[in-house]
Amino acid sequence: GIQVEQSPPDLILQEGANSTLRCNFSDSVNNLQWFHQNPWGQLINLFYIPSGTKQNGRLSATTVATERYSLLYISSSQTTDSGVYFCAVDTNTGGFKTIFGAGTRLFVKA
Amino acid sequence: DADVTQTPRNRITKTGKRIMLECSQTKGHDRMYWYRQDPGLGLQLIYYSFDVKDINKGEISDGYSVSRQAQAKFSLSLESAIPNQTALYFCATSDGSRNEQFFGPGTRLTVL
Repeated sequence: GIQVEQSPPDLILQEGANSTLRCNFSDSVNNLQWFHQNPWGQLINLFYIPSGTKQNGRLSATTVATERYSLLYISSSQTTDSGVYFCAVDTNTGGFKTIFGAGTRLFVKA
Repeated sequence: DADVTQTPRNRITKTGKRIMLECSQTKGHDRMYWYRQDPGLGLQLIYYSFDVKDINKGEISDGYSVSRQAQAKFSLSLESAIPNQTALYFCATSDGSRNEQFFGPGTRLTVL
């Protein structure tokens, strides 16, 4: 079945630094989402981005579907950005599935 | 008010007990999902429902059952809970055209 790999698995940043998180997927997908899971466990929608580039404040994302990867950019990081970032893809290959990556755990130091 | 609600938010139960987790949504979406998250891992799909009469198994459906009582309500049951079902459980909804999923706050379940 489809594999979703996120990198890096862990990331420590100083407040104000920039970072890039990557999501690779092994087969074609119908759509792709990025989520932030905060320290309280809540899953927050960041981007719905099956292809192209979107920006929302300090965050932006790019998906290149033909090359099977997506990138999440965090600029001027803040301590409130800490948590786990997940990408998730939907596919209908072999039946409907939503597959989550294992996540990137981010800690932003003050 | 939250668009996707889950009850209970926390539950401790004993091995062998039957337990039901409930999910309600006010987003008007047709599709609903149940996921499980184990510590340090991503989410895994348990069951999904694309409309009231449609129920499908996900990756890890063994030991679980679901009921779609209405468009807005989707419940997950553990018929006989076991300790390795201790996890964080999420409900999600989406519409059929875009399929952008929105998650509830989660239920933390502990099986002793």
